[in-house]
Amino acid sequence: AQKITQTQPGMFVQEKEAVTLDCTYDTSDPSYGLFWYKQPSSGEMIFLIYQGSYDQQNATEGRYSLNFQKARKSANLVISASQLGDSAMYFCAMRDPNFGNEKLTFGTGTRLTIIP
Amino acid sequence: DTAVSQTPKYLVTQMGNDKSIKCEQNLGHDTMYWYKQDSKKFLKIMFSYNNKELIINETVPNRFSPKSPDKAHLNLHINSLELGDSAVYFCASSLTGTGGYEQYFGPGTRLTVT
Repeated sequence: AQKITQTQPGMFVQEKEAVTLDCTYDTSDPSYGLFWYKQPSSGEMIFLIYQGSYDQQNATEGRYSLNFQKARKSANLVISASQLGDSAMYFCAMRDPNFGNEKLTFGTGTRLTIIP
Repeated sequence: DTAVSQTPKYLVTQMGNDKSIKCEQNLGHDTMYWYKQDSKKFLKIMFSYNNKELIINETVPNRFSPKSPDKAHLNLHINSLELGDSAVYFCASSLTGTGGYEQYFGPGTRLTVT
C-alpha cells in the first residue's frame, strides 16, 4: 500500500526566507506521480506542482520547486522568497499507479505560517 | 467561469436526515472524485467515477451513494446522517492518463450534523 509522510505539522518562517516542506513516500511501483497542493484558510485546494517518477529533472513552477530524491523516496517542496500569502496548509500527495490517475493518497499536511 | 462547483457550500442538518451535495465541472474532464476532509484536515478519497462508471469505492459506508448522471456531474447522497459524517466534502475532477494530470478541486461543502 502507498504511504505519504509529512513529518512537520507546523512551521514558522520569516517573510522572504526560503522554505522547505518535507514529504517522504513509500511505494513498490516504479511508476508514480507526486503532487503538492496548497489549502489557504479560505479552504480551497490549489494545485502547485507535479513530479513524475521518470522525470529526469526536478519540477519547477515559479517560486515553487520540488526537490525530488528518488533513492531516498523524498519529494520536498521548496518555496523561494516566501510571502505572507504563502501561509496555508500544504499537502503532499501520490497518484496510485494501480489506477492511473484515479486516486490520490494525501499526507497529513504541514501548516506553514509566514511571519512579517 | 467556475471550473468545479459544488452546492451547497454549507450544510447544517440533524442526525438521521438525508442530504445531497451536487458537483459540476466544466473542464471537459472524464474523471470525478469525492474526498472527505476530517477535522484534523486529513483528506481521503471516497469515490471516483470515470465516464459515469464507478472506479473507486474506498470502504465508505453504504449510507453514502454517489451518482453520476453524466461525466460533468457527480452528486453525493447521504442517508441517515450521523455525527461522524461532519466534515468538509470536496469534489474534484481530472483527465485520466499516465501524465501529471492534476485534480482540480471544488470549493468544498462543510457538512455539520447536529
